[in-house]
Amino acid sequence: EIVLTQSPATLSLSPGERATLSCRASQIISSYLAWYQHRPGQAPRLLIYDASNRATGIPARFSGSGSGPDFTLTISSLEPEDFAVYYCQQRSIFGGGTKVEIK
Amino acid sequence: QVQLVQSGAEVKKPGASVKVSCKVSGYTLTELSMHWVRQAPGKGLEWMGGFDPEDGETIYAQKFQGRVTMTEDTSTDIAYMELNSLRYEDTAVYYCATLRIAASEYFEHWGQGTLVTVSS
Repeated sequence: EIVLTQSPATLSLSPGERATLSCRASQIISSYLAWYQHRPGQAPRLLIYDASNRATGIPARFSGSGSGPDFTLTISSLEPEDFAVYYCQQRSIFGGGTKVEIK
Repeated sequence: QVQLVQSGAEVKKPGASVKVSCKVSGYTLTELSMHWVRQAPGKGLEWMGGFDPEDGETIYAQKFQGRVTMTEDTSTDIAYMELNSLRYEDTAVYYCATLRIAASEYFEHWGQGTLVTVSS
């Protein structure tokens, strides 16, 4: 079974800064990956699918890259509402999450 | 636009069962592949199972095999997830989510979540 390892576990940044989140698959089963944003008390929200395609309504500051086993989610300039936990996913597997917190 | 509305919070005793519902609007259930994901307190997201459109069957994560049943009422467009023999560690927020298959598989739309608390 594949394992998705996200790093770092926590990212402390200020609004306006650039966030770079990583996700590494333990084996290559797909060239694609999805990313989700999860705010406390809300449902997870799909941000990126097929590694680099933004979901409907997702701002352009969110971008995804990579093709396996290493993938990256970049938030070009953090807005206050972007401080949340982010998960990567392939098939039925989710990564452990990266918490983006206010520095 | 797909909307998923889940049933309300539940408190159950260990050993009991819980059945969570997920009402679909904007589409019909037959047009969707419905899955269930949970998040225990302080933990990440965990896939429980869902409808596999490739073979037309419901598949379950091995961890929940024998304890979970996912069903659908296509006349009312409501999906259900029933978890039996509840344990304290089943305390979690349970989400229904629609699986979209493109170049890869991803969960496109999510319900608002249902908190299930297992407590004596």
